[in-house]
Amino acid sequence: GDSVTQMEGPVTLSEEAFLTINCTYTATGYPSLFWYVQYPGEGLQLLLKATKADDKGSNKGFEATYRKETTSFHLEKGSVQVSDSAVYFCALSDDSNNAGNMLTFGGGTRLMVKP
Amino acid sequence: ETGVTQSPTHLIKTRGQQVTLRCSSQSGHNTVSWYQQALGQGPQFIFQYYREEENGRGNFPPRFSGLQFPNYSSELNVNALELDDSALYLCASSLQTGNKQYFGPGTRLTVT
Repeated sequence: GDSVTQMEGPVTLSEEAFLTINCTYTATGYPSLFWYVQYPGEGLQLLLKATKADDKGSNKGFEATYRKETTSFHLEKGSVQVSDSAVYFCALSDDSNNAGNMLTFGGGTRLMVKP
Repeated sequence: ETGVTQSPTHLIKTRGQQVTLRCSSQSGHNTVSWYQQALGQGPQFIFQYYREEENGRGNFPPRFSGLQFPNYSSELNVNALELDDSALYLCASSLQTGNKQYFGPGTRLTVT
């Protein structure tokens, strides 16, 4: 079945540092890939997505490129802020299953940014 | 336009009891999905409803059941609660089955 593996946290960075959170996936079909963010006490929010190989999703300074050859979708940001502190989830949606846009999530990576 | 809302926010139940969680979809959305998020883990898909019919199910036992109403609000019912059912239950709605999902804040269920 489909699965998503992401680096374990917590990741602790100083403000303005470069961020990379690794994500790899296994899927039977041609999935769409997503990064979601969960701020303390809030629901999951879609951060960015990519629907096909070599697509780059971007939002709020975050970027991730759909790499089919390495089955990866690593999240990057050039300069993190304290306000980026949250839990980040990599996820996929595989149209080859019969559950509409069912999402398969990784385990989440907690990011803590210190001033 | 209101977002996805869930009720209650928190609840505590005893093992063996039954629980009903509720979700109001974002206006105009006809698809709702439910996820279980155990502490420190990623959400796991329970099932999805599209226009009042179940449209897919994850690896959860039959004691997890759901309903979607004509106004597209939804319920998640869990019978014979077990300690491992303690989790954050998330509801997500979307305009169609293939569209962006909007998540509610979740219901925190504790089973003692």
